[in-house]
Amino acid sequence: DIQMTQSPSSLSASVGDRVTITCRASQSFNTYLNWYQQKPGKAPKLLIYAASRLQTGVPSRFSGSGAGTDFTLTISSLQPEDFATYYCQQSYSSPYSFGQGTYLEIK
Amino acid sequence: QLQLQESGPGLVKPSETLSLTCTVSGGSISSSSYYWGWIRQPPGKGLEWIGNIHYNGSTYFNPSLKSRVSISVDTSKNEFSLKVTSVTAADTAVYYCARRLGYCSSASCVNWFDPWGQGTLVTVSS
Repeated sequence: DIQMTQSPSSLSASVGDRVTITCRASQSFNTYLNWYQQKPGKAPKLLIYAASRLQTGVPSRFSGSGAGTDFTLTISSLQPEDFATYYCQQSYSSPYSFGQGTYLEIK
Repeated sequence: QLQLQESGPGLVKPSETLSLTCTVSGGSISSSSYYWGWIRQPPGKGLEWIGNIHYNGSTYFNPSLKSRVSISVDTSKNEFSLKVTSVTAADTAVYYCARRLGYCSSASCVNWFDPWGQGTLVTVSS
C-alpha cells in the first residue's frame, strides 16, 4: 500500500500569507495526486486533481504541483475562509490512500 | 447539480451489520464514466477509502475491509448501498458517499472524488 505523509500536521498563519503544504508518497508515481479541503462538520471538497489541475469554481489562489514522491499545495494569499484541514489523496494504486491531514489555523 | 445524500441508522450494536444508502439526485447513477464510492472518517481522525462500485455492478474494495464489506447498486432508485458486517467500536465514523471521476492515460488512471455527500455519523455501541 502507498503511504501518504503530509507536513506540517498543523500550521498557524495570517490572512494574506502565502502557505505551502507538502505531501510525500512512499513510492513514486506520476501525477495521480489530489487535494481536498475540509471544514469542521462538513464533507471534504475537491480543490486540485491530477496534482495541478484546479477544480472548477476553486479560487486561483490555490495551486498544486509536483510529481514522483513529492507534491505541494500552495495558497498564494490566505483568506479567512481558507482556514480548514487539507488532505492529499493518491489514486495511483488501490487502495486509495489519504494523508493524515494538515490543520491550518489563524495566527 | 449533482447531489448525494447518505441515509441509515446512526447507532449499530457491536457484531451487527451496518447498512447505509446513498441517494443520487441531479444526475444518473447509470453513467459509464463514473464509479461511486464510500469513504469514512473516525471522529477526529483522517479519511479512509472503503470501496467503489460501477452501475454495472463492478466493485473493488480496500483490502483492509474487504472481508466485511459489500457495496451494491440499484439503478432503478438511483442509489447505491454499503454493508459492513461484524462491526466493532473501530467502525464508528462519519461515512461519506462520493462520485469518483477520472481519466486514463497509457500508463494508469487518475481518479478523484467529487462531489461528496454531507456524511452520516454511525456509532457502534451497545
